[in-house]
Order: sequence, then structure tokens, then C-alpha cells
Amino acid sequence: GQNIDQPTEMTATEGAIVQINCTYQTSGFNGLFWYQQHAGEAPTFLSYNVLDGLEEKGRFSSFLSRSKGYSYLLLKELQMKDSASYLCAVMDSNYQLIWGAGTKLIIKP
Amino acid sequence: GAVVSQHPSRVICKSGTSVKIECRSLDFQATTMFWYRQFPKQSLMLMATSNEGSKATYEQGVEKDKFLINHASLTLSTLTVTSAHPEDSSFYICSARVLAGDRYEQYFGPGTRLTVT
Repeated sequence: GQNIDQPTEMTATEGAIVQINCTYQTSGFNGLFWYQQHAGEAPTFLSYNVLDGLEEKGRFSSFLSRSKGYSYLLLKELQMKDSASYLCAVMDSNYQLIWGAGTKLIIKP
Repeated sequence: GAVVSQHPSRVICKSGTSVKIECRSLDFQATTMFWYRQFPKQSLMLMATSNEGSKATYEQGVEKDKFLINHASLTLSTLTVTSAHPEDSSFYICSARVLAGDRYEQYFGPGTRLTVT
């Protein structure tokens, strides 16, 4: 079966760095996406990785290792507005997104 | 990134009535659109995949006669919740897939919060 695992909840301090991990087992791989979702809102696109390595975009970076079925989202210089759920999703061989359950990130002052 | 709009953002209806939700891709053509449902504190659940000009593909457990999907053009897909019941109250989100260079990307509409009384 297809499976995406990520921690349910994480807590971090404002100004710090946090890494949210995601492991996956899917039928085929056409890229891994990270989305941010604030409570009561739809997800917004953060990043896309299809090749191994690190993609940096401002305070957010995303890493992928296809051989290990592993990705992480790295958030630097955390701000209170970063409190949200972070969803990991893998596009499978049929170009369908397989979703993780999301990681709720709580930022404390 | 690409922009997807959804209308209405909130709707309250009475049991037994039908509600139509529109999803539009504003600055691109989307051959494939997706409809999701999300209950509070739960993950996104894919309801159906909609391809322009053809019938939607529904996920297991989703009643196609209750959730009518029409994808009449490359920029518009609609979801009609027929004979709505309180248990249909949920956050409905559409998403459009676009080919960006050599890869697919997927963008979400802002969602429609449906409350059935």
C-alpha cells in the first residue's frame, strides 16, 4: 500500500529552527510537495522536490532523498505566523497526490 | 504560482437542498481538477478527480449521485452536493493541476465551508 508518515505535532520557539520529517512508500514517484495549511484555510504550496538534494526558498528549505524515501522541511528564523499544519504529499505514478496526515507546528514566544 | 478561485467561500443550507460550488483556474487552463473534503482536525480526503470533458472519477465510498461534478471547460469545475444532510457539513476544497515545464504542480482554491442545518 501507499504510506506517508510525518510527526503529528511539533513545538518550537520563535526565532529558532525546526525540521519536519516525512517518509514515504508509494507506487511510483513524480515529486514530493510540502504545503502549509493554517486552521480553517486551504493548503498553500511551499515547495516541490523531484531530484535528490536541498531546495532553498527564503526561510524555508526542503530536502529529498529518493533512495531513502525521505524528505524534510526546514524552517528557519521561526515566526509566530509559522504556526500551522505542514502537509507532505507525494505524486505517484498516476500523478495523483498521496497525502500525509500533516504535522501541526506550534510556535512559542 | 497559479491562482485557483472558489465560490462561495461559505454557505449555509437546509437539509434536503442542493448546493453548487464553483472552482475556477484564473490564469491557466487545468485539464485536471480535484475535489477534496476536510473535516475538522483531519487530513484532506480526495473525493474525486475531474478531467475536462469526461466523467469524474470518484474515490471509494464517495457517492457519485450525491456529489455531482461537472468539468465543462478547462477553467471551471463545479461540485453540487445534492439533498444535503448535516453530516455533509465540511470544508470542501478544489485543486487544479497544471503542467509547469516538465513537471506537474497542484494548487488549491481557498475552500468552501458548507454548513447544513
